[in-house]
Amino acid sequence: QKEVEQDPGPLSVPEGAIVSLNCTYSNSAFQYFMWYRQYSRKGPELLMYTYSSGNKEDGRFTAQVDKSSKYISLFIRDSQPSDSATYLCAMKKAAGNKLTFGGGTRVLVKP
Amino acid sequence: AAGVIQSPRHLIKEKRETATLKCYPIPRHDTVYWYQQGPGQDPQFLISFYEKMQSDKGSIPDRFSAQQFSDYHSELNMSSLELGDSALYFCASSLVDNEQFFGPGTRLTVL
Repeated sequence: QKEVEQDPGPLSVPEGAIVSLNCTYSNSAFQYFMWYRQYSRKGPELLMYTYSSGNKEDGRFTAQVDKSSKYISLFIRDSQPSDSATYLCAMKKAAGNKLTFGGGTRVLVKP
Repeated sequence: AAGVIQSPRHLIKEKRETATLKCYPIPRHDTVYWYQQGPGQDPQFLISFYEKMQSDKGSIPDRFSAQQFSDYHSELNMSSLELGDSALYFCASSLVDNEQFFGPGTRLTVL
């Protein structure tokens, strides 16, 4: 069983809808949580970085962390066709530099 | 804003050959990370360096080595290449061990 689980999708939504993504993890040692967006054959682009339970908002993006449930979420409001990409959650323990990724969710926003 | 620079962007090698990948971190970033992403997979951590010293090690084969130089750029050296080494190789950089920003990647094809 992977340490970080993420539904691979694909997730198809109409333009303007809210995109809801989530990851679960099994190791309580994870303390830092990130969301990356990756377009095909490009490098992952950092969207959100959090380290405490609760919500963090940045523009159209909201990240939620629930450490007690070992569950993180990313919401994208007013989705655009340009948001069509693979979204990767990533986590890091307090010790060490390694990011552990979920498998990524493919998102398709249809005009 | 300046981003992580990787070179070359594409590389084709024969089996048993060697390859050298280069990474130039974001200015003032002192930590670099190397990840390998196979087709349809999420990035897997290989190795990281902080202030020219190895800071963490992941699933890097013994055939691979890396180092960070005094100007903070890093090189990943890969020897005795195998077909299975064909992948996207990403370098990321950060200030200390904060958010990791990824480069565009080097696509390595081993024939």
